[in-house]
Amino acid sequence: DTAVSQTPKYLVTQMGNDKSIKCEQNLGHDTMYWYKQDSKKFLKIMFSYNNKELIINETVPNRFSPKSPDKAHLNLHINSLELGDSAVYFCASSQEGGGETQYFGPGTRLLVL
Amino acid sequence: AQSVTQLDSQVPVFEEAPVELRCNYSSSVSVYLFWYVQYPNQGLQLLLKYLSGSTLVKGINGFEAEFNKSQTSFHLRKPSVHISDTAEYFCAVRWRGAGNKLTFGGGTRVLVKP
Repeated sequence: DTAVSQTPKYLVTQMGNDKSIKCEQNLGHDTMYWYKQDSKKFLKIMFSYNNKELIINETVPNRFSPKSPDKAHLNLHINSLELGDSAVYFCASSQEGGGETQYFGPGTRLLVL
Repeated sequence: AQSVTQLDSQVPVFEEAPVELRCNYSSSVSVYLFWYVQYPNQGLQLLLKYLSGSTLVKGINGFEAEFNKSQTSFHLRKPSVHISDTAEYFCAVRWRGAGNKLTFGGGTRVLVKP
């Protein structure tokens, strides 16, 4: 059974387009995250939601908008895509609490042409 | 700003040899420490974590790590690597009081050679 799943796995699109990435977790966790991994493998948190409430919002352009319809889902919508948005985007989830393990999805590889 | 440094970006190692991956973080304020592994084209998987207690932590696949508070380090070791250990390894730190925010190091690519 997949714990954290993301769709799509690959996304190739043109500059200026709007796209969404979906994430679902079946672990019963109450906290979900979006991370961006750049071409040098550097991994940085973008957003974190706890019980559908935004609790971490790093310095991410306004073109990125997360949406959490319920505790099990956290989607990422990106407007006006730019070349620099090309990266791998990972969704993760955990229970609330500093020592809790974050479980990662398989990633969505976004290429903006 | 708090930061995590993995001193080696790439570590080539022969099969059955030991390996050590170094991780240092910027502040000695109370922390939770993690090591994750990323196999090619996959997500991250937890290897082990340190929350409190014994400074030597054992994880999956024969890996272990040692927390050193005075040196603000959390180095990962494996006494004998396999070809299947070829992957990217990430050290991550959560500072207490920083909510659920994980700060990652830049990663260390381990390439196991036959």
